[in-house]
Amino acid sequence: GAGVSQSPSNKVTEKGKDVELRCDPISGHTALYWYRQSLGQGLEFLIYFQGNSAPDKSGLPSDRFSAERTGGSVSTLTIQRTQQEDSAVYLCASSSWDRKTQYFGPGTRLLVL
Amino acid sequence: RKEVEQDPGPFNVPEGATVAFNCTYSNSASQSFFWYRQDCRKEPKLLMSVYSSGNEDGRFTAQLNRASQYISLLIRDSKLSDSATYLCALQGGNYGGSQGNLIFGKGTKLSVKP
Repeated sequence: GAGVSQSPSNKVTEKGKDVELRCDPISGHTALYWYRQSLGQGLEFLIYFQGNSAPDKSGLPSDRFSAERTGGSVSTLTIQRTQQEDSAVYLCASSSWDRKTQYFGPGTRLLVL
Repeated sequence: RKEVEQDPGPFNVPEGATVAFNCTYSNSASQSFFWYRQDCRKEPKLLMSVYSSGNEDGRFTAQLNRASQYISLLIRDSKLSDSATYLCALQGGNYGGSQGNLIFGKGTKLSVKP
């Protein structure tokens, strides 16, 4: 079946602009996670959704970052007033209710100039 | 101490070699452990979960040592196609990872040469 999809695959933006990244989880997966992978860094957890609620936002690096999930499916991660240090690959993962195996999407490569 | 530590490598080995990676973790309350494989410019893909009793999948063997707080991955008879970065990850515990999010090491790069 279809895996996790993300769009856009690549995004180049100018410093100070807002960007919106989209994640379509595997159908039926209730848990959704956003991670960020910067050059030379490991994957860093950003936010977790169970259904439409986000019980854990502890990884969001600043108040410029926000995310929402609607209909228990699609999620969007919004970065306002982007900075150069926001440049990274943003990965989304989903899992079933047991939150064991996480399946990752291909990621969105964000470059802030 | 970092939550999850891995030797970044690279490990350069010839085809057919046996190679082992270790990964240490600091949170003794961590509950689940995994090895992921990440190819260049691709997303991580689950290689195997790691159980206390140890588990094997073909040429790959994973072990968990809770007393010493490390997990290991052994690859036998290395293939060219095994070249990738291997990430260890843990889940659960009383901070970080308690909601099911994975905490990753930075990965160990493996390069298998002909």
